[in-house]
Amino acid sequence: IAGITQAPTSQILAAGRRMTLRCTQDMRHNAMYWYRQDLGLGLRLIHYSNTAGTTGKGEVPDGYSVSRANTDDFPLTLASAVPSQTSVYFCASSDSGKKGGDTLKFGQGTRLTVV
Amino acid sequence: QKEVEQNSGPLSVPEGAIASLNCTYSDRGSQSFFWYRQYSGKSPELIMFIYSNGDKEDGRFTAQLNKASQYVSLLIRDSQPSDSATYLCAVIPSGSARQLTFGSGTQLTVLP
Repeated sequence: IAGITQAPTSQILAAGRRMTLRCTQDMRHNAMYWYRQDLGLGLRLIHYSNTAGTTGKGEVPDGYSVSRANTDDFPLTLASAVPSQTSVYFCASSDSGKKGGDTLKFGQGTRLTVV
Repeated sequence: QKEVEQNSGPLSVPEGAIASLNCTYSDRGSQSFFWYRQYSGKSPELIMFIYSNGDKEDGRFTAQLNKASQYVSLLIRDSQPSDSATYLCAVIPSGSARQLTFGSGTQLTVLP
């Protein structure tokens, strides 16, 4: 089934540790995104990539980095986790070159708790 | 001021009624508008998108866009308990390189 797979689905992480959240899509979508979702704040964009080899900063990029070595994978790295990064993280993709292609397809989410 | 504003609710309607969800946005140049539904503990899923002023209907759902007043709404006719979820409004602001900005969502409960 075509879609987006995130791993892990949940994680408890000690503050100061490094962590990479994985995201893989098999739809050949050109654009990929990382959002975090916190109660009362909705979905906020962390980083995005419009095409393989390029990335950009979203609304809340500090403390996070991304890479886009190929079309399918878009990992998100927390270099040194802090408790304020406790959140639910969603990876998404879109086929932005098509008419109506701005619509996002989301992964199942990663629930991260930093203690 | 947030770019996309929604009433957080909760909004409760009886089964069979029309649920009306509203969203306002601050960037007058925004061109694309979306409604997503998110069940508790799940990821958001697209309900509808709308680009032009007026109404767009899809089954029990109607999206309404008024660019002059900078609001977009979602009507759910014949509401069902299975419609109980959080509804997220999203827009693509001008100059945003096509990234969606989301509102904080409205929680809807349809009472049997």
